[in-house]
Amino acid sequence: QKEVEQDPGPLSVPEGAIVSLNCTYSNSAFQYFMWYRQYSRKGPELLMYTYSSGNKEDGRFTAQVDKSSKYISLFIRDSQPSDSATYLCAIEPTGRRALTFGSGTRLQVQP
Amino acid sequence: DTGVSQDPRHKITKRGQNVTFRCDPISEHNRLYWYRQTLGQGPEFLTYFQNEAQLEKSRLLSDRFSAERPKGSFSTLEIQRTEQGDSAMYLCALPVAGSTDTQYFGPGTRLTVL
Repeated sequence: QKEVEQDPGPLSVPEGAIVSLNCTYSNSAFQYFMWYRQYSRKGPELLMYTYSSGNKEDGRFTAQVDKSSKYISLFIRDSQPSDSATYLCAIEPTGRRALTFGSGTRLQVQP
Repeated sequence: DTGVSQDPRHKITKRGQNVTFRCDPISEHNRLYWYRQTLGQGPEFLTYFQNEAQLEKSRLLSDRFSAERPKGSFSTLEIQRTEQGDSAMYLCALPVAGSTDTQYFGPGTRLTVL
């Protein structure tokens, strides 16, 4: 079992839809949670990070962490074709510096 | 502009050849990380430096791989006797300013081993 599980998709939605992207993790020692966006043949771009359970909002993006269920989510409101990319969740265990990534979910927003 | 450059952006080599990649932070960072990303997967941690000291190495980093950060600024990653399984994107990452636990990534070097 991988430490971080993420549905690979692809997930196809119409423009303007609300998108929900999810990851589950197995190790309760994970404490820091991040979401990255990656366009084809580019490096991952940091979108959001959070250290605690609950919601964190930044513009059209909301990151949600439920530590009791070991479940993290990224919501995208009013999705745009430019949001079409692969979204990666990343988690850092307490006391380590290395990030553990999910395999990424490919999102396609249809105009 | 991500604050870090990587060179080359794409490298094609024949199996058995040696290759070297370089990561150049634009500003000073005491920590620097290397990751590898294969097609359809998330990045996997390889190693990280605190200044010039290499503090952690993943078991993915076989003895054909070596990384250095001689002056605590730029870093190089060398792969000797490349194999087709080494084909991947090699990513350099730096800590986000004001955070000890979050990283941002460079554009990566895409390696293709024929």
